[in-house]
Amino acid sequence: TAGITQAPTSQILAAGRSMTLRCTQDMRHNAMYWYRQDLGLGLRLIHYSNTAGTTGKGEVPDGYSVSRANTDDFPLTLASAVPSQTSVYFCASSGGLAGHNEQFFGPGTRLTVL
Amino acid sequence: GQNIDQPTEMTATEGAIVQINCTYQTSGFNGLFWYQQHAGEAPTFLSYNVLDGLEEKGRFSSFLSRSKGYSYLLLKELQMKDSASYLCAVRGNDYKLSFGAGTTVTVRA
Repeated sequence: TAGITQAPTSQILAAGRSMTLRCTQDMRHNAMYWYRQDLGLGLRLIHYSNTAGTTGKGEVPDGYSVSRANTDDFPLTLASAVPSQTSVYFCASSGGLAGHNEQFFGPGTRLTVL
Repeated sequence: GQNIDQPTEMTATEGAIVQINCTYQTSGFNGLFWYQQHAGEAPTFLSYNVLDGLEEKGRFSSFLSRSKGYSYLLLKELQMKDSASYLCAVRGNDYKLSFGAGTTVTVRA
């Protein structure tokens, strides 16, 4: 079982360009999340989806958009990248919202915006 | 909102015990999680507490006091492979996780 996968592993992007970070899970989890991780700041939630067809804004949503057309995929799009979006991006999923439902994390995408 | 504090760094000797504290001030509480993250890798789940008390899982234990807004992760019989960052995360009433900045533990021989 692959679990949760992300692509690409890393990317260097010119400022002003657009990019989509891909995330796919095969655990049939309802909830999916996108975080960014920056040194000294920890993981911060960008967007989330509690179930297919719905999305919501997290703590730092500006400059990012998401879609959730089906259960497995949750792509994150940067419409016009800026250097402050240089970060490591983690996708995560969980089987439920409450109780002992931990989040499972993908391997991450390291993005550098120049 | 959520405010989660944990020490930035800790160092300990192989075979020793280390306790990582986490204090939180949140607008709601629906569980506390600890994750381990090795450098360059994804976070992986370690423990979950929702009621007061100690949860033990092998060499790792986690404690919660909801009235004090306090948790700790106890790592016993430290091994070199335990060198990693440890993340404290609180789930609020909106069911979203808020993470502390993480504690980097270095285990020395």
